[in-house]
Amino acid sequence: DQQVKQNSPSLSVQEGRISILNCDYTNSMFDYFLWYKKYPAEGPTFLISISSIKDKNEDGRFTVFLNKSAKHLSLHIVPSQPGDSAVYFCAASDQEYGNKLVFGAGTILRVKS
Amino acid sequence: KAGVTQTPRYLIKTRGQQVTLSCSPISGHRSVSWYQQTPGQGLQFLFEYFSETQRNKGNFPGRFSGRQFSNSRSEMNVSTLELGDSALYLCASSAGRATNEKLFFGSGTQLSVL
Repeated sequence: DQQVKQNSPSLSVQEGRISILNCDYTNSMFDYFLWYKKYPAEGPTFLISISSIKDKNEDGRFTVFLNKSAKHLSLHIVPSQPGDSAVYFCAASDQEYGNKLVFGAGTILRVKS
Repeated sequence: KAGVTQTPRYLIKTRGQQVTLSCSPISGHRSVSWYQQTPGQGLQFLFEYFSETQRNKGNFPGRFSGRQFSNSRSEMNVSTLELGDSALYLCASSAGRATNEKLFFGSGTQLSVL
């Protein structure tokens, strides 16, 4: 039972263009959402997060959008850079379980120069 | 500040054996969580320890166990290894004072079960 789904295993984007990574969830108790980035041979690193009381959070080139009615969130990277090439994981948690994160399977982003 | 350190980096074991993985959190962090990453499955939560007590637990069999020491270092043990236990095991630490804290991950221990 995958409560967090990233339906696109991979995405290829030209340098300078927008990258949009999508994530769907099924558990309506989730109230906090995060994106992590992972390079090969390294652990995931935190990228950006959003609370369920917001519908948008921005940090530099990264913006996360949350659509609670559709149980959908997306990560926008503008402009995309070759160094953004990595695996991106969407994760969710609910207040009751705190640091117990439920992760999606990840999307491999390739930014071509 | 040193990051999260996991040892060993790689492990090869055979079915039926047991294995112990170690994690040293960032100095001052009291919460340590463990995740299993397999291809196509993302990261799956194993358990979280805070102040030497298990605070949260995932849906893994009892062969997977852990503990945390008074210095916040944590170990994870897998007994009677199965082929399906081959995975990257990631440890993450946080201050542990509130929910929804940013987790800092180590580079993981790659376990191969033959």
